[in-house]
Amino acid sequence: EAQVTQNPRYLITVTGKKLTVTCSQNMNHEYMSWYRQDPGLGLRQIYYSMNVEVTDKGDVPEGYKVSRKEKRNFPLILESPSPNQTSLYFCASSVGGPYNEQFFGPGTRLTVL
Amino acid sequence: QQQVKQSPQSLIVQKGGIPIINCAYENTAFDYFPWYQQFPGKGPALLIAIRPDVSEKKEGRFTISFNKSAKQFSLHIMDSQPGDSATYFCAACSYRGSTLGRLYFGRGTQLTVWP
Repeated sequence: EAQVTQNPRYLITVTGKKLTVTCSQNMNHEYMSWYRQDPGLGLRQIYYSMNVEVTDKGDVPEGYKVSRKEKRNFPLILESPSPNQTSLYFCASSVGGPYNEQFFGPGTRLTVL
Repeated sequence: QQQVKQSPQSLIVQKGGIPIINCAYENTAFDYFPWYQQFPGKGPALLIAIRPDVSEKKEGRFTISFNKSAKQFSLHIMDSQPGDSATYFCAACSYRGSTLGRLYFGRGTQLTVWP
């Protein structure tokens, strides 16, 4: 089944404790992207990757890191999480770029205390 | 600066009504305008998309109207059903230039269709 998977689905952590949210797709998509969703603010792009070893900042990259060492994986790293990073995070992938249908993962709900 | 402005924030219609969601943008380099639908507890999914070389696109009960000169586009849902109750996001991006790879979303419209 073609899909985007994210782990963990739910995470409660404390300020400053490094964490990684994994994202994997099995559709051989070049493009992958991370978004955060907050009430009243919609979806905001954090980082995106046009292909392996190519990543770039979105609207709200502060406090996040990403890497794209393999085509299928695009982990999101929070080196020192803070309460303002409490949010619902989505990973997505598509052929070529965001101008084709993006397939979203199920989301990761992160709470930083 | 918000690249895509979406209204209304919420919308309640009776079954069979025609809800209309509006979006506006400023960047004339945008040339792909998708709409995503999100059900509670799920990730967004592409509903319909339009490119600026056409003024209207229909897929089933969903229609996008596009006004290039006004830099506005809207989603119409014909004969709305309770199963259409969801959050709808418009978005915009470009095939080229400095914003290649960026996708800008509106803030979303929560639609409720009463039976």
